[in-house]
Amino acid sequence: SQQGEEDPQALSIQEGENATMNCSYKTSINNLQWYRQNSGRGLVHLILIRSNEREKHSGRLRVTLDTSKKSSSLLITASRAADTASYFCARVTGGGNKLTFGTGTQLKVEL
Amino acid sequence: DTEVTQTPKHLVMGMTNKKSLKCEQHMGHRAMYWYKQKAKKPPELMFVYSYEKLSINESVPSRFSPECPNSSLLNLHLHALQPEDSALYLCASSQAALGAHYNEQFFGPGTRLTVL
Repeated sequence: SQQGEEDPQALSIQEGENATMNCSYKTSINNLQWYRQNSGRGLVHLILIRSNEREKHSGRLRVTLDTSKKSSSLLITASRAADTASYFCARVTGGGNKLTFGTGTQLKVEL
Repeated sequence: DTEVTQTPKHLVMGMTNKKSLKCEQHMGHRAMYWYKQKAKKPPELMFVYSYEKLSINESVPSRFSPECPNSSLLNLHLHALQPEDSALYLCASSQAALGAHYNEQFFGPGTRLTVL
C-alpha cells in the first residue's frame, strides 16, 4: 500500500496542551500536505511543506519534514476543543496526479 | 466563492435503484475528484477529471459512472450498488491537475450514502 502511516491512531488531550501527530511514508515526495476532517465532513487543507523545507508554521500549527527518515510531524500548540477532528497527511503519488492520504490521527481535545 | 457544494447530503437507495450525486464549484478549478471514505478510514481516490476529461479511474466498478458536463460540475451516477458501497462520497477540486505543481484540494462536505 502507498498509504502513509500515522501515529498515534488516536490522541486525547486537555485543552491548552500541545498535540503532536506523526506521518511516515515509503516513497520519495515533492511535498507533503496536512488536512483536517471534522466528524463525517469534508477535508480542509491545513498546510503544505515542500521536500526542500524542514519546517513550516501557520498560526498554531507547526509542521516538520525529515526526508531522510521519510517522516513528517504536525504540532498543534495550545489546543482548543474546536481542534477535535481527524488529521491526515497526504502526498502526491501516481506520477503527480493523485493525492494519497495517510491512515489518520483522531484527535480529541477535552475541556 | 471558495466552496465546493455537494448534493444530496444524505442518500438512501436500494440495490436496484439508479441515483446521482452532484458536485459543483465556481472557483475556476480545472481538476475535480471523487473520493470514497469508509468510517475511520482515509479517503480513497476513485476518479480524477482534468480539463473535463477523465484522467484517472482507480479501477472503480462500472456501477459507478462519473460525468463532467462542464468545468464547474461533476456527477457520479450510481446503479445496482451493493451494501458495501455505503460510505461518505467526497468531491474535491483543485486549480489544475496535480502534475509537477502542487495544488491544494478543496473538498465538499460529502454525501452520506446508504445502500440497503
